[in-house]
Amino acid sequence: QKEVEQNSGPLSVPEGAIASLNCTYSDRGSQSFFWYRQYSGKSPELIMSIYSNGDKEDGRFTAQLNKASQYVSLLIRDSQPSDSATYLCAVARSGTYKYIFGTGTRLKVLA
Amino acid sequence: GAVVSQHPSRVICKSGTSVKIECRSLDFQATTMFWYRQFPKKSLMLMATSNEGSKATYEQGVEKDKFLINHASLTLSTLTVTSAHPEDSSFYICSAVAPSNEQFFGPGTRLTVL
Repeated sequence: QKEVEQNSGPLSVPEGAIASLNCTYSDRGSQSFFWYRQYSGKSPELIMSIYSNGDKEDGRFTAQLNKASQYVSLLIRDSQPSDSATYLCAVARSGTYKYIFGTGTRLKVLA
Repeated sequence: GAVVSQHPSRVICKSGTSVKIECRSLDFQATTMFWYRQFPKKSLMLMATSNEGSKATYEQGVEKDKFLINHASLTLSTLTVTSAHPEDSSFYICSAVAPSNEQFFGPGTRLTVL
């Protein structure tokens, strides 16, 4: 079992729809969770971090964390073609800055 | 978000030469930086953890004598690929841990070894 699992996609959604990206992790000692966006040929860009169970909203993005079920998700509302990218989930244990990255989900927003 | 720069953004070199890549945190001090490499359409692979004032910690399978890391100040880490060969051609990306404890990535360096 991989430490951090994501569906590789591609996940295709129409413009204006909600895109839902999911990530599961295996280490129950994980305390910090991050979502990054990576455009082709570019480096990852931090979208959101989440540390507590529940939802965290920032603009069109909402991160959801459920530690009991060991999953974290990212919702993108009103998806735009410019949101088309690979979304990376990253997880870290308490007391470490070292992240374990998933392999990423490729999102395509269709105009 | 915090700003991290990398230099150069792109480098082409001959086989056998050494290449130095710089990673700088521009608006914060970073005790810890990380170096990753990424092959086309593949996931990020952590190479090493760079700690200011101490030796880098390398991931399993990464040769420390080939990938030399120096973190001489709180804003600068360097990665030197020694005696580069074509199989070292890759996208090298650094990240720095900001005071928020989040990692911010540099724009990456694309290395091509002929």
